[in-house]
Amino acid sequence: AQSVTQLDSQVPVFEEAPVELRCNYSSSVSVYLFWYVQYPNQGLQLLLKYLSGSTLVKGINGFEAEFNKSQTSFHLRKPSVHISDTAEYFCAVYAGNMLTFGGGTRLMVKP
Amino acid sequence: DAMVIQNPRYQVTQFGKPVTLSCSQTLNHNVMYWYQQKSSQAPKLLFHYYDKDFNNEADTPDNFQSRRPNTSFCFLDIRSPGLGDAAMYLCATSTRLAGTDTQYFGPGTRLTVL
Repeated sequence: AQSVTQLDSQVPVFEEAPVELRCNYSSSVSVYLFWYVQYPNQGLQLLLKYLSGSTLVKGINGFEAEFNKSQTSFHLRKPSVHISDTAEYFCAVYAGNMLTFGGGTRLMVKP
Repeated sequence: DAMVIQNPRYQVTQFGKPVTLSCSQTLNHNVMYWYQQKSSQAPKLLFHYYDKDFNNEADTPDNFQSRRPNTSFCFLDIRSPGLGDAAMYLCATSTRLAGTDTQYFGPGTRLTVL
């Protein structure tokens, strides 16, 4: 079975500052990795995914993530955040026909 | 635009009164999922359909059932809602190819139990 750990439950950051949301996983088999964003009272929107190939993955809204197999991490980054990026972010791992979510990180962008 | 649609977006029901939530998709995906998400928590998988094959998670209460009459539609039935069933219910779809599975979510239905 796999597990996902999002190390920070909340990340406060000022507008236009860079941000990194951390995600670590454990799995005994090869995995596929995802980041989803959830705005208040909305469903989950796919930000980006890593299936294979280049370990640096670019997604929507200026986000990117890097797959690091040796550190079993898939951290999400954005060089300059906006107020509109305030939301809950979920890292997820797919393996063995199951999608496993981390506990989520609430990104709070302050003016 | 191809999408996942959930109706209604907000549902209020009374304790013990059956309720049905619906999900439809225009993506023609063969897999459909139902998740329950409580406040400040990650989504929790209740069950999924792979084509017509129903797959129930081991810890999903018997109070929750699902129907998939065709590829496009899937329903979540809660037979006797309790206060603990108040949550956001998310529908997702995917098409499993080459061992991977990218899930696309609908906007959710927020269920309130009075």
